[in-house]
Amino acid sequence: QKEVEQNSGPLSVPEGAIASLNCTYSDRGSQSFFWYRQYSGKSPELIMFIYSNGDKEDGRFTAQLNKASQYVSLLIRDSQPSDSATYLCAVGARSNAGGTSYGKLTFGQGTILTVHP
Amino acid sequence: SAVISQKPSRDICQRGTSLTIQCQVDSQVTMMFWYRQQPGQSLTLIATANQGSEATYESGFVIDKFPISRPNLTFSTLTVSNMSPEDSSIYLCSVSRTSGRFGTDTQYFGPGTRLTVL
Repeated sequence: QKEVEQNSGPLSVPEGAIASLNCTYSDRGSQSFFWYRQYSGKSPELIMFIYSNGDKEDGRFTAQLNKASQYVSLLIRDSQPSDSATYLCAVGARSNAGGTSYGKLTFGQGTILTVHP
Repeated sequence: SAVISQKPSRDICQRGTSLTIQCQVDSQVTMMFWYRQQPGQSLTLIATANQGSEATYESGFVIDKFPISRPNLTFSTLTVSNMSPEDSSIYLCSVSRTSGRFGTDTQYFGPGTRLTVL
C-alpha cells in the first residue's frame, strides 16, 4: 500500500467549474498536509496546507481534512485554464519526541488537472 | 520564500559515469532535501542532508550510489554515481523554511536538474 495515494487522473473540468482533488494517507500519526501545484517543466510550489480537521479556505482554494478517515482534499472553485497543472498531495511526518517536525514530506503520485475553456 | 539555484540545469551523460549536482540557497537553512522525480512520476525523497552530519537516506537509496555533501548551511551536492539509463530523472533539492505567506514550515524547491543517461 502506498503511503500517500491520489487519483492520477487526468481530471478534466470546464472553466468556471469546481475541481475536486482527493488524497488518502496511511500513517495515522501524520501531522501536516500540503497541496503543491506543479506546472509542466517546473518545480512544485505550495498552494495550501492544513493541520486540523475541517475546512480551510484561501481564495479559490479550500483544503479539507478528515483525520479519522485519513483523507485530505483540495477544492478549486471557479477553475481557470491557468489552474491546469499536476497537483501533489504531501504529508508531513509525525513530530519527533521533542515536538518539532523534522520536515520530511511524503508525496502522492499527483493528479493531472486540465481546465478547458 | 527561498531562492534556490541548482547546477547544472540539465545534462546528458554516458552510462557508467558520475554527475555532481549543486544546490545553493540564498540564506542559511538547517535541513536540505534531495528528491528524484522520474518521468511522469511524483517526487521520491532520496535523502535528508543536515550540515555537520551524515545524510539520512530513504529506503532504496544508498550512499555509494548517491553520495551527498553538506559543507555549510547554504550549499549541498548530490552525486549520481555509476549512472545507468534508469537514473534518467529530474533531481530536485529543497529546503525547509517557514513560509511568510502561510506561517508554517514547508519545503521550497529548486528548479531541478534534468538528467538523461544514454
